[in-house]
Amino acid sequence: DAGVIQSPRHEVTEMGQEVTLRCKPISGHDYLFWYRQTMMRGLELLIYFNNNVPIDDSGMPEDRFSAKMPNASFSTLKIQPSEPRDSAVYFCASSLMGAQGANVLTFGAGSRLTVL
Amino acid sequence: RKEVEQDPGPFNVPEGATVAFNCTYSNSASQSFFWYRQDCRKEPKLLMSVYSSGNEDGRFTAQLNRASQYISLLIRDSKLSDSATYLCVVNGGGGSYIPTFGRGTSLIVHP
Repeated sequence: DAGVIQSPRHEVTEMGQEVTLRCKPISGHDYLFWYRQTMMRGLELLIYFNNNVPIDDSGMPEDRFSAKMPNASFSTLKIQPSEPRDSAVYFCASSLMGAQGANVLTFGAGSRLTVL
Repeated sequence: RKEVEQDPGPFNVPEGATVAFNCTYSNSASQSFFWYRQDCRKEPKLLMSVYSSGNEDGRFTAQLNRASQYISLLIRDSKLSDSATYLCVVNGGGGSYIPTFGRGTSLIVHP
């Protein structure tokens, strides 16, 4: 299996521009998570999906952020308009719920976003 | 109180040393526990699960203390390649199995 695939790996954009991050989870996994990591705040859960359905988006910072999962093999995280404080590494992770609720995540390599 | 708390470190130890990290969690209904490792500029990866009876994987030992709500990771005979950030992860409770990550503990092993 190729693992969780994210694109782009690096993105540099100017404030106000739209940013779209993409994720292909591991085939057969039923959970997909979007995280953001910064030095100041660590790893923050933004939103997660179960069987393509958004379950909890309470971690999404504000209305500028949106996420979709149109099918089991693809998800997007969109920021519009982007701001410098959105600069971070965005990780996508997927998992298959195990026994007794064990939820072991496999992460993608991350998308490093810089907003100027 | 944060859901999962870790000492950020860094822990700076010589090769061959034994080092231990602790992590505390606030949700007493939490069901499962893990340690992840994150190398610089890389993604987190599962290091090991933590079982109630404690478990060992080579030089690594993980333990769970439900009464005091903490988990620990012991690394024996540290190697240079152990230098990384170690993330404590707790899976929900009360019907939620969503993992909550600690901020991580940084380990630097020097020659």
